[in-house]
Amino acid sequence: GAVVSQHPSWVICKSGTSVKIECRSLDFQATTMFWYRQFPKQSLMLMATSNEGSKATYEQGVEKDKFLINHASLTLSTLTVTSAHPEDSSFYICSASAGGRQETQYFGPGTRLLVL
Amino acid sequence: SQKIEQNSEALNIQEGKTATLTCNYTNYSPAYLQWYRQDPGRGPVFLLLIRENEKEKRKERLKVTFDTTLKQSLFHITASQPADSATYLCALVGANQAGTALIFGKGTTLSVSS
Repeated sequence: GAVVSQHPSWVICKSGTSVKIECRSLDFQATTMFWYRQFPKQSLMLMATSNEGSKATYEQGVEKDKFLINHASLTLSTLTVTSAHPEDSSFYICSASAGGRQETQYFGPGTRLLVL
Repeated sequence: SQKIEQNSEALNIQEGKTATLTCNYTNYSPAYLQWYRQDPGRGPVFLLLIRENEKEKRKERLKVTFDTTLKQSLFHITASQPADSATYLCALVGANQAGTALIFGKGTTLSVSS
């Protein structure tokens, strides 16, 4: 089956620093990648949808200047949390689909971010 | 307003019994609904997809039903095992800023005791 990896799997950083999370589709070309955030005991909340080579579309309430998304190739998307604060501590999960078919999304293992 | 609700946050059952999880939605007309399994600290893993014109779908010990009149999906695990203990999420397609996106419920955490 299709595999999506994320790196790093967990990160601890100081408040005010920036953190980059990578999402890779290992054995297929992902025309669309999705970034989600999940707080404890809450559902996955979609942050943004990104298509390769174009700007990401952010959900309402998600600051595009704070959560920078780059989808430069068909196998890699990155999420950069700029000037991270403790309230950004969460579980960030990416998913990827081929051909823009949302019904077939493959999820990464997630990245746990803790901002001190 | 639009809602997707999994009305049990936690479900505890004995090994060998059938677990039944419920997903209700309001103000959506999804073309399909999906169920995922999520283990602690991990991303969701796709289990089953059921379309609006399908009443039931099966995969090994899993069975999903979809009632568009009741706006409800039921997820069954028969002959449950301790290894089935996890959080189960339902998801459907809803409108978002990019057009459409998967919208997830909060999940039901299933614990199967031996």
